[in-house]
Amino acid sequence: SQELEQSPQSLIVQEGKNLTINCTSSKTLYGLYWYKQKYGEGLIFLMMLQKGGEEKSHEKITAKLDEKKQQSSLHITASQPSHAGIYLCGAPTGTASKLTFGTGTRLQVTL
Amino acid sequence: NAGVMQNPRHLVRRRGQEARLRCSPMKGHSHVYWYRQLPEEGLKFMVYLQKENIIDESGMPKERFSAEFPKEGPSILRIQQVVRGDSAAYFCASSPIGQVMIEQFFGPGTRLTVL
Repeated sequence: SQELEQSPQSLIVQEGKNLTINCTSSKTLYGLYWYKQKYGEGLIFLMMLQKGGEEKSHEKITAKLDEKKQQSSLHITASQPSHAGIYLCGAPTGTASKLTFGTGTRLQVTL
Repeated sequence: NAGVMQNPRHLVRRRGQEARLRCSPMKGHSHVYWYRQLPEEGLKFMVYLQKENIIDESGMPKERFSAEFPKEGPSILRIQQVVRGDSAAYFCASSPIGQVMIEQFFGPGTRLTVL
């Protein structure tokens, strides 16, 4: 079965600093989703990557999928308190869009 | 355009009682996925349903758990004779079609606490 490992598990950064979260798969990915979860709330869709080497950006968040489609990174530029939360990568496995999720990265942004 | 709705948002049950969690997908979506997030653990797939059909229930515990998505009305995840280990956040997601690499929209979740 496919496993997704995220690193780091948790991260504390000062406001304004850049940061990167990684998601590594045990198998080649069909594609990859990134979601953000605020504590006690649901998941907010960030980005979906499908092709090897693909890169997408939304506001200050950029996600990349490597050429071999086994690793993805999420980069936040000039972090803000609003970026705090748990970031989850997810990959479709098997039936339709059934997703397997990574272990999550908890991000705190200090003032 | 309302998003995925889940109710109740919080549910408290005593051991041995039944829990019913409801999920109304986005308008026009006929595919529903249920996930469970245990405390300090990741999000795990439970079951995938289309209207009136269970497509994949490989993540459902063998006993006490069942799910349905009737022709009319919300999808329901039912847990019979709850135990403390069932305490978790239960999320549902919906999509318009059952295809790989299509965005899944998640609801806010139901947080179940078993006393």
